[in-house]
Amino acid sequence: AIQMTQSPSSLSASVGDRVTITCRASQGIANDLAWYQQKPGKAPKLLIFAASSLQSGVPSRFSGSGSGTDFTLTISSLQPEDFATYYCLQDYSYPWTFGQGTKVEIK
Amino acid sequence: QVQLVESGGGAVQTGRSLRLSCVASGFSLGSYGMHWVRQAPGKGLEWVSLIWFDGSQKYYADSVKGRFTISRDNSKNTLYLQMNSLRAEDTAVYYCVRDLSLGRSDPGYWGQGTLVTVSS
Repeated sequence: AIQMTQSPSSLSASVGDRVTITCRASQGIANDLAWYQQKPGKAPKLLIFAASSLQSGVPSRFSGSGSGTDFTLTISSLQPEDFATYYCLQDYSYPWTFGQGTKVEIK
Repeated sequence: QVQLVESGGGAVQTGRSLRLSCVASGFSLGSYGMHWVRQAPGKGLEWVSLIWFDGSQKYYADSVKGRFTISRDNSKNTLYLQMNSLRAEDTAVYYCVRDLSLGRSDPGYWGQGTLVTVSS
């Protein structure tokens, strides 16, 4: 199975900061990568699909980039509602696999 | 709007079986692939299984292959997950998830989940 490694595992940031989360695949996955946001006690929410396509209704401060093995989720200006855990998912080959998550906390 | 409501979770002994159901509304279930994704308490997400819109193809995580079976009854707008030979490590919230759109199989629309607790 393809391994997905996210970094960092957690980070502290302030409102207004630019935040970058990285996801690395153990082998090439083209652009078959999605990003999810999860808040405590809630179901995950799809933010980005196909590495860089913004899901409908998601604020434009969220963006994704990358292809092959290295991917990035960027939040251009962190808002209070963005404090959450973020996961990447490769949907290139079965079994699909998630990264271990990145918790974004308030500094 | 898309609604997915899971049921069937609960406490079960190691080695026993359990069947989860997911009733879909707000869309035609038969047009979309469907997934199960789980999350152990305090842990990350784990993709479990996918079934194509017509049930013709099914895929599983290595951790559940041979023990879990995904199925669907489009006439009843219902997705199932039959879980056999349950282990403690299967303890998790199980989410029913719909493909994002026709032609995009990314897990896009999530239910609220049902908790399965496996213990001896």
